[in-house]
Amino acid sequence: SQQGEEDPQALSIQEGENATMNCSYKTSINNLQWYRQNSGRGLVHLILIRSNEREKHSGRLRVTLDTSKKSSSLLITASRAADTASYFCATDARNDYKLSFGAGTTVTVRA
Amino acid sequence: EAQVTQNPRYLITVTGKKLTVTCSQNMNHEYMSWYRQDPGLGLRQIYYSMNVEVTDKGDVPEGYKVSRKEKRNFPLILESPSPNQTSLYFCASNFGSQAFFGQGTRLTVV
Repeated sequence: SQQGEEDPQALSIQEGENATMNCSYKTSINNLQWYRQNSGRGLVHLILIRSNEREKHSGRLRVTLDTSKKSSSLLITASRAADTASYFCATDARNDYKLSFGAGTTVTVRA
Repeated sequence: EAQVTQNPRYLITVTGKKLTVTCSQNMNHEYMSWYRQDPGLGLRQIYYSMNVEVTDKGDVPEGYKVSRKEKRNFPLILESPSPNQTSLYFCASNFGSQAFFGQGTRLTVV
């Protein structure tokens, strides 16, 4: 079942600008993760935030989590052409590690 | 290098011809899974395995089989492929909740 929904579906920004995308989910979670996928290739893990955390940083990435609203946001600062990709949020709600993915946000960074 | 390896990367087959997509990981992970990715639907889990000889259905298991005879290998079997199984398939192994994905297998069933 599709747990997460990303918004917007697509985003086009200029190099150097910030990109923000959101993820909403339906049921209680243990963790929320963000993954990146370059055109038709495998997904790469970016960051994991636990349900008892509110904000996490990794390099140019900032993730927030609001469990009361069942939502998360991913901010990419000072975007580069290499950030052009699809970004997916994934949640796991039980300790069996099953991940439920959203449909993704496609980000295009223009030079 | 830690990795998940899938083969083949691309496959075109005909309806009803049995095929196997192989998946191997070198990270000694216990949990492995298969996903399919279709436009607008994100990734959906087909089957997963908690450990050797332990497998279970995911969200979309119909038409697929798996086996887990060794920790490192988790092949996906389509005994009688149909056109609605045309998709991009990913194998993954987990360290805790974090999944490591293979490069994908693009399958076309005609």
